[in-house]
Amino acid sequence: AQSVTQPDIHITVSEGASLELRCNYSYGATPYLFWYVQSPGQGLQLLLKYFSGDTLVQGIKGFEAEFKRSQSSFNLRKPSVHWSDAAEYFCAVGAATSGGYNKLIFGAGTRLAVHP
Amino acid sequence: SQTIHQWPATLVQPVGSPLSLECTVEGTSNPNLYWYRQAAGRGLQLLFYSVGIGQISSEVPQNLSASRPQDRQFILSSKKLLLSDSGFYLCAWSPSTVNQPQHFGDGTRLSIL
Repeated sequence: AQSVTQPDIHITVSEGASLELRCNYSYGATPYLFWYVQSPGQGLQLLLKYFSGDTLVQGIKGFEAEFKRSQSSFNLRKPSVHWSDAAEYFCAVGAATSGGYNKLIFGAGTRLAVHP
Repeated sequence: SQTIHQWPATLVQPVGSPLSLECTVEGTSNPNLYWYRQAAGRGLQLLFYSVGIGQISSEVPQNLSASRPQDRQFILSSKKLLLSDSGFYLCAWSPSTVNQPQHFGDGTRLSIL
């Protein structure tokens, strides 16, 4: 069965430090992978997506993610974190279904805190 | 460009009262539509999805129902709310082609007293 694991529930970094959020997936076919960010009390915003091709994908707000098939991972990175990056981050894998809709399987999320 | 609207943003309801949350999408046609619930400190649980007018599929058994009376309108309802229905409800849409990202509304915070 498809699944997404985000091993870190909470991460705290200092402003200006680099960031890496981990995501591991389980999916039988070529995965379609996404990272979303959720600020408190808000909906989810799409940061970036991987469909195929270059395994390093660039997203909004200076984020990037690298797809590693051998490790079943899709880790999110940012070279220098800003205080405004404090939020919850969700990794998701897309799965086409027989019902004709796009099912997203979400990880449990990683809450990022940023120290000044 | 496409936009998605959810309302109300916040709702406080007594146990046993009815519920109606509305979601509309603009700037696209024949979208797939979704309702999720997010309990405090937890991930997202898919409640319902719809691939067309009047077509509703439920992912989990529950006290809630959904309807899609128009192409870009999705409604989440309940006849009698339970305490366990409290949470953050998110509507999302995606293009009807496969493996497309979903785009989310700003959510409704529902508190049951």
